Amino acid sequence: AQSVTQLDSQVPVFEEAPVELRCNYSSSVSVYLFWYVQYPNQGLQLLLKYLSGSTLVESINGFEAEFNKSQTSFHLRKPSVHISDTAEYFCAVSSGTYKYIFGTGTRLKVLA
Amino acid sequence: GAGVSQTPSNKVTEKGKYVELRCDPISGHTALYWYRQSLGQGPEFLIYFQGTGAADDSGLPNDRFFAVRPEGSVSTLKIQRTERGDSAVYLCASRLDRGGELFFGEGSRLTVL
Repeated sequence: AQSVTQLDSQVPVFEEAPVELRCNYSSSVSVYLFWYVQYPNQGLQLLLKYLSGSTLVESINGFEAEFNKSQTSFHLRKPSVHISDTAEYFCAVSSGTYKYIFGTGTRLKVLA
Repeated sequence: GAGVSQTPSNKVTEKGKYVELRCDPISGHTALYWYRQSLGQGPEFLIYFQGTGAADDSGLPNDRFFAVRPEGSVSTLKIQRTERGDSAVYLCASRLDRGGELFFGEGSRLTVL
């Protein structure tokens, strides 16, 4: 069975500092990996995804994530965060069928 | 519409009442999902439709919960005899291709008093 672990429930970081949000998954087959962002009182929005090809994927607003098969990880990073990045971030895994499993989320709080 | 639409955005009801939550997916998306998100938790799978049929309803908590998608587009999640523990945000998502991303609506926040 697939599962997703986001070890950090909350991550406070100062503005313009780098951040890494951790995601580990378990699956016995090939996977597709996703990061979603949820701003207060809004639905989930796709931030970036790994389906195949290059293991490093990037979003339009400066986030990146690297698929590491040997460590079964898909950590999200940004070299310099902004106040507007304050949100909850969810990692999700799919084995390419219909199942999408989400982690419990990491609340990123960017401090001025 | 351009995105997944959910109504109502907020629903307050009393314990024991019946509730319906509606989801209008992105046009052309054959796959539709319902998730439930409780405070401080990630989305929890409830049910998956491929076309008109419920391909997997293993996430529905009990027989008070039921969902339909009669014409393969709009879906309705129905909750009978609501309980306080049903209070959560109910999220609907749709998908075009197998393996592609889910597109979420903004959710229906259900509060059972």
